[in-house]
Amino acid sequence: DSGVTQTPKHLITATGQRVTLRCSPRSGDLSVYWYQQSLDQGLQFLIQYYNGEERAKGNILERFSAQQFPDLHSELNLSSLELGDSALYFCASSKDRGGEKLFFGSGTQLSVL
Amino acid sequence: GDSVTQMEGPVTLSEEAFLTINCTYTATGYPSLFWYVQYPGEGLQLLLKATKADDKGSNKGFEATYRKETTSFHLEKGSVQVSDSAVYFCALRYSSASKIIFGSGTRLSIRP
Repeated sequence: DSGVTQTPKHLITATGQRVTLRCSPRSGDLSVYWYQQSLDQGLQFLIQYYNGEERAKGNILERFSAQQFPDLHSELNLSSLELGDSALYFCASSKDRGGEKLFFGSGTQLSVL
Repeated sequence: GDSVTQMEGPVTLSEEAFLTINCTYTATGYPSLFWYVQYPGEGLQLLLKATKADDKGSNKGFEATYRKETTSFHLEKGSVQVSDSAVYFCALRYSSASKIIFGSGTRLSIRP
């Protein structure tokens, strides 16, 4: 158990809908990272937050947004969903800004039908 | 841009066989290199890392050596077990950046 909790584990929704994925980092970790894992794109970095502020941005679509709350949990919001958004979304956390060692949650499997 | 290339899987071996999973990278500077492992139904876990050229990372019988001259970080294990069945990801990261760049992953299956 990595100590990173993601909910829900599975999510099935329709095109055009909006969903929210939630992540609770390990106790004491200030950084949260979001990754998307799909068969054709592999593991893609989406965004990082450190202590409530956005720190780094990767291949995140404009339809997607994230935030980190004062209690350090994070949410990834995906809107106007398309079939191609179906993927496994991972959250990871680390103690520092630099992310020398990431601890990953078990992911949220999103299926857009 | 920076990238990581891994050998395509799946790789299927018998128990106690020798394992090599190839990984090469393209980078403009001198990144740290990592191997992460993903067991079925779980998130990725750091397996080992090396932060500079000629460093050897090792953990749980796995080893990888940072080779700057060949831009490689191949993962090896002398005798694999069924419990090593997982997906292995090679990755790189610069100390000045947050983003870890992952390879596409190599699925390893070990037959009893």
